Amino acid sequence: KAGVTQTPRYLIKTRGQQVTLSCSPISGHRSVSWYQQTPGQGLQFLFEYFSETQRNKGNFPGRFSGRQFSNSRSEMNVSTLELGDSALYLCASSLVAGGITGELFFGEGSRLTVL
Amino acid sequence: AQSVTQLDSHVSVSEGTPVLLRCNYSSSYSPSLFWYVQHPNKGLQLLLKYTSAATLVKGINGFEAEFKKSETSFHLTKPSAHMSDAAEYFCVVTGNTGGFKTIFGAGTRLFVKA
Repeated sequence: KAGVTQTPRYLIKTRGQQVTLSCSPISGHRSVSWYQQTPGQGLQFLFEYFSETQRNKGNFPGRFSGRQFSNSRSEMNVSTLELGDSALYLCASSLVAGGITGELFFGEGSRLTVL
Repeated sequence: AQSVTQLDSHVSVSEGTPVLLRCNYSSSYSPSLFWYVQHPNKGLQLLLKYTSAATLVKGINGFEAEFKKSETSFHLTKPSAHMSDAAEYFCVVTGNTGGFKTIFGAGTRLFVKA
């Protein structure tokens, strides 16, 4: 069974640009959640989608958005990039919504560098 | 409200000696607790989980954790460290507080010396 796939793995952007990251969950998983990981702030929850609906949202500005498609693939978008957005963005999929079981399956992440 | 505190940001052990990574939690409801491991430049992998069954939980790679409600702790242990255990470990709590939330601890970096 294929794991969670995130693309691209690495990318470099400049301030003010926007970026779109993609996540393909494990087949059959309908929940996709996104996390930002930085050395200073650790792992922070961005949002979660289940069956194309946003179920939970973390405390991030509106520049961070996401969506989920009917095949459960998810994208997140960050507009007007700031230096502080440099981070590893992790996607996790799970069978049920809300991380009810807490059993999350993570991708290897997309490392974003903003110059 | 739920929270999780990992008491050590860094732990250093010698290969072959025991590992103890400490985690305390706070939860208004019966929580589910987990430990995840992250190797450099990788995603997180589930080590073990507690979901109100046995209080001593065994995970992969020889790790285990004990749920102690009276102490609100869920410490991770391993009898004998291996070089490949060097990684970052996250204690996680999840539960229903007006919507299921998954809360990650700040992480503990484990160093294993030869």
